[in-house]
Amino acid sequence: EDKVVQSPLSLVVHEGDTVTLNCSYEVTNFRSLLWYKQEKKAPTFLFMLTSSGIEKKSGRLSSILDKKELFSILNITATQTGDSAIYLCAVDNNYGQNFVFGPGTRLSVLP
Amino acid sequence: EADIYQTPRYLVIGTGKKITLECSQTMGHDKMYWYQQDPGMELHLIHYSYGVNSTEKGDLSSESTVSRIRTEHFPLTLESARPSHTSQYLCASSDPDRAMNTEAFFGQGTRLTVV
Repeated sequence: EDKVVQSPLSLVVHEGDTVTLNCSYEVTNFRSLLWYKQEKKAPTFLFMLTSSGIEKKSGRLSSILDKKELFSILNITATQTGDSAIYLCAVDNNYGQNFVFGPGTRLSVLP
Repeated sequence: EADIYQTPRYLVIGTGKKITLECSQTMGHDKMYWYQQDPGMELHLIHYSYGVNSTEKGDLSSESTVSRIRTEHFPLTLESARPSHTSQYLCASSDPDRAMNTEAFFGQGTRLTVV
């Protein structure tokens, strides 16, 4: 059964801290790994990773994939209160492009 | 910004009522999905569609049904709502045929409460 595991499930930091969120996966047919940010309602897309070792970067957020060890990390530097959200990791398992989601990491950034 | 819309955003109804959650997208995507998400929990796929007249059940068993008569429209129906159906329902779409890899675009969700 395809599975995505995220850790930690919950994290509380102060503004300015750097955080690393982890995502590991087991899928029978990997196509891509995606990170989403979910604040109130709809998850919003952050990154798509398909190749190992190539860092994707957007402002203070960056992510990298290791297809050999089957995991990805999402880094957020100089965190702000606006980064408080649930960060979802999902894997496209290539069967008609169904996305398998992890449980998410709930990040709380305190002022 | 993704052009996928869900209505209503919030719904409180009594047990036994029939309800339909609407989802429409204007991106011409063939693939559409319904996810169910309880507070603080992960998304679970309950239905998906490859295109018009295609509907499939997802990983999580659901008493809801879906239809796909038009590409842009993927409504979800509960014939007789129960308190156990209380949850957030998220609709999404993607377009796997036009790109090697693409993300799913999500609607704003419908928070359903059955009393």
